[in-house]
Amino acid sequence: AQSVTQPDIHITVSEGASLELRCNYSYGATPYLFWYVQSPGQGLQLLLKYFSGDTLVQGIKGFEAEFKRSQSSFNLRKPSVHWSDAAEYFCAVGSGNTGKLIFGQGTTLQVKP
Amino acid sequence: DTAVSQTPKYLVTQMGNDKSIKCEQNLGHDTMYWYKQDSKKFLKIMFSYNNKELIINETVPNRFSPKSPDKAHLNLHINSLELGDSAVYFCASSQPRPPYEQYFGPGTRLTVT
Repeated sequence: AQSVTQPDIHITVSEGASLELRCNYSYGATPYLFWYVQSPGQGLQLLLKYFSGDTLVQGIKGFEAEFKRSQSSFNLRKPSVHWSDAAEYFCAVGSGNTGKLIFGQGTTLQVKP
Repeated sequence: DTAVSQTPKYLVTQMGNDKSIKCEQNLGHDTMYWYKQDSKKFLKIMFSYNNKELIINETVPNRFSPKSPDKAHLNLHINSLELGDSAVYFCASSQPRPPYEQYFGPGTRLTVT
């Protein structure tokens, strides 16, 4: 069965520091992979996606992610974190031909001034 | 210009009541979804409709019944509400083809007392 694991429940980084959020997935075929961000009390905003082509994908707000098939990973990165990046981050894999998304448990990002 | 909207944003009700949540999208998408986010922020799909046809029906109690009057609307009706139904319910929409990139509404926080 498909699954997504985000190993880090909570991460704290200093403003201006680099960030990497980990995501591992389990899926038999080529996956559709997504990162979403959820600010407190808000809906989910799509940061970026991968479904084919270049394995390094660029997203909004300066985020990027790299698909590594050999490691079944899709880690999210940002070179310099801003205080406004503090939020909940979700990795998701698209399943089959129905559009069903399977989400990871989420990673809470706290940014220290 | 809201892409995916939900009403109401907050819903507080007593056990045993029946309530509905409405969702509308103006993105021209054919597919719409309902997700439930529990108190631990875990997101799980409940239903999906493609052009008014039910295509995903996860293991959800029969008390939950989605209705899609047209492809721009997907409502969720819940009968005989229970304490465990308290959660945030998100509506989303996408095109009915890979990678099924989904856009989410702001969520409806349901509290059952």
